Amino acid sequence: DSGVTQTPKHLITATGQRVTLRCSPRSGDLSVYWYQQSLDQGLQFLIQYYNGEERAKGNILERFSAQQFPDLHSELNLSSLELGDSALYFCASSVDGTGIFYTFGSGTRLTVV
Amino acid sequence: ELKVEQNPLFLSMQEGKNYTIYCNYSTTSDRLYWYRQDPGKSLESLFVLLSNGAVKQEGRLMASLDTKARLSTLHITAAVHDLSATYFCAVENSNYQLIWGAGTKLIIKP
Repeated sequence: DSGVTQTPKHLITATGQRVTLRCSPRSGDLSVYWYQQSLDQGLQFLIQYYNGEERAKGNILERFSAQQFPDLHSELNLSSLELGDSALYFCASSVDGTGIFYTFGSGTRLTVV
Repeated sequence: ELKVEQNPLFLSMQEGKNYTIYCNYSTTSDRLYWYRQDPGKSLESLFVLLSNGAVKQEGRLMASLDTKARLSTLHITAAVHDLSATYFCAVENSNYQLIWGAGTKLIIKP
């Protein structure tokens, strides 16, 4: 157990729907990152939060949004889902916002049908 | 824009052999990471390389970093079946984001 908890582990939903993925960072970590891993795009950085504030945005679609709450857990919201959104979504956390102490969660596998 | 290239993308090798995976990146960075991923699983950190000339070893794996050449290598010595996995390198950009290589799928045959 890495200490980073992602729920749910699997999610199957229909096109056009909206889902929320949840991530609880490792205790003491202030920064949360979201990554998408798909067969055609590989691993892509989506967005980073640090202590509740958005710090950086990567290749995140407008249909996707995220937030980090006061207790530091984060949620990634995916709406108007398309078949191409099917992927493994990883959350990672680090204590100081750098990659040195990155810890990855086990991921949420999203399947859009 | 930082780009990271790994090669080869696929490697099938016999147990007991040695091989090297290469990771090239396009702009200056002093931080490079190697991860391992088993099918359907999470990303496991293998090595964190933080300076030019850094070399780290763990078991049959050794990683090195040459920041001037913008090149890192992951060397596998006397491969065993348990090392079969996909290996990723990732380079940290100036915004502390990790930019990933495409991964090298390694299959080690008995």
